[in-house]
Amino acid sequence: GAVVSQHPSWVICKSGTSVKIECRSLDFQATTMFWYRQFPKQSLMLMATSNEGSKATYEQGVEKDKFLINHASLTLSTLTVTSAHPEDSSFYICSASSTLPTDSPLHFGNGTRLTVT
Amino acid sequence: GQQLNQSPQSMFIQEGEDVSMNCTSSSIFNTWLWYKQDPGEGPVLLIALYKAGELTSNGRLTAQFGITRKDSFLNISASIPSDVGIYFCAGRLGNEKLTFGTGTRLTIIP
Repeated sequence: GAVVSQHPSWVICKSGTSVKIECRSLDFQATTMFWYRQFPKQSLMLMATSNEGSKATYEQGVEKDKFLINHASLTLSTLTVTSAHPEDSSFYICSASSTLPTDSPLHFGNGTRLTVT
Repeated sequence: GQQLNQSPQSMFIQEGEDVSMNCTSSSIFNTWLWYKQDPGEGPVLLIALYKAGELTSNGRLTAQFGITRKDSFLNISASIPSDVGIYFCAGRLGNEKLTFGTGTRLTIIP
């Protein structure tokens, strides 16, 4: 089955620094990748959608200059949290789709636990 | 963002019992997905449904795509300890983004 790898699985950083999270599709080409954020005991909230080779589409209320997304290849998308603050501490999860969304379910990475001190 | 209404919010059952949970939406979908999430991990796909009225099984799990296209159900038969976790439904219409339910937390009482 489709495998999505996310790295790192957890990271602790100091306030004001930047953190990069990688999302890779291991056995398929991901034309579209999605980045979600999940707070404790809550559901997944979509942050942005990225298509290979084009700019990401951000959901309302998500700062594109703070959460930089790059989808440079069909197997890799990165999310960079810039100038992180404690309120950015959360569980970030990526997912990837290999074909048109109507034809394929989303497969998720294992998530990245970000803690900003 | 938009969320689906998922119920119950939590369940406390004994091992061996059957489990039922459902999701309802105010709008129609043409894809319903059910995921399970363990603590500290990403959601894992359990069942995907693509047609109204479709009934699909995956081992002890059975899910149905409601005929109105506004709801979906997930049943787990003869629950075992590894069924513990949070179950999420998710719906999608066409190429629109996936919308997630609020989750059902399943706990098995020893």
